Amino acid sequence: DAKTTQPNSMESNEEEPVHLPCNHSTISGTDYIHWYRQLPSQGPEYVIHGLTSNVNNRMASLAIAEDRKSSTLILHRATLRDAAVYYCILKEAGTGANNLFFGTGTRLTVIP
Amino acid sequence: EAGVAQSPRYKIIEKRQSVAFWCNPISGHATLYWYQQILGQGPKLLIQFQNNGVVDDSQLPKDRFSAERLKGVDSTLKIQPAKLEDSAVYLCASSLAGPRNTEAFFGQGTRLTVV
Repeated sequence: DAKTTQPNSMESNEEEPVHLPCNHSTISGTDYIHWYRQLPSQGPEYVIHGLTSNVNNRMASLAIAEDRKSSTLILHRATLRDAAVYYCILKEAGTGANNLFFGTGTRLTVIP
Repeated sequence: EAGVAQSPRYKIIEKRQSVAFWCNPISGHATLYWYQQILGQGPKLLIQFQNNGVVDDSQLPKDRFSAERLKGVDSTLKIQPAKLEDSAVYLCASSLAGPRNTEAFFGQGTRLTVV
């Protein structure tokens, strides 16, 4: 399982953008970059995923470096409900959740 | 759309006792997973089912843990006998089968405390 490195914790003020970094220097050509988040007392939920190009959805944006060795999850306007642990995961294309190897993630605190 | 349902939400047992957890996946999801999440860590896969067959149980401690998915829908995970180190949240997840499945849906989990 390819390894990702994330900061243990980050803080953001409410209504400001948040940039959550992830390093994955050993990524292979077939690995997708997935982000899940886990709110307190909840199971993880899918946020976004991408391969090479930047991606946007209703929850967030994913910016992928040109060499694919790092990526950044962008929450455009943090709310208190975004306080969670965010996991950056490398997943081989076409595989199931048995290939979701969760690290310890980044705990995001949103300050009112 | 109903999500993944798990019960109970909380369970406290003494060591050496037995316990069972139940999961009802999202309708139509052929793939079902059980994860164990110890406090302060990310979830770790225990077992994966495709319909009612086991795909991956390499991380399941088979001397005390067992799981089944009769009829390819609901699933139960059992621990017998429980140890103190089994205290964790047990998460069930489901996804569509096939090479295009990219998203797993998780339940709220069952928090087990072994005393």
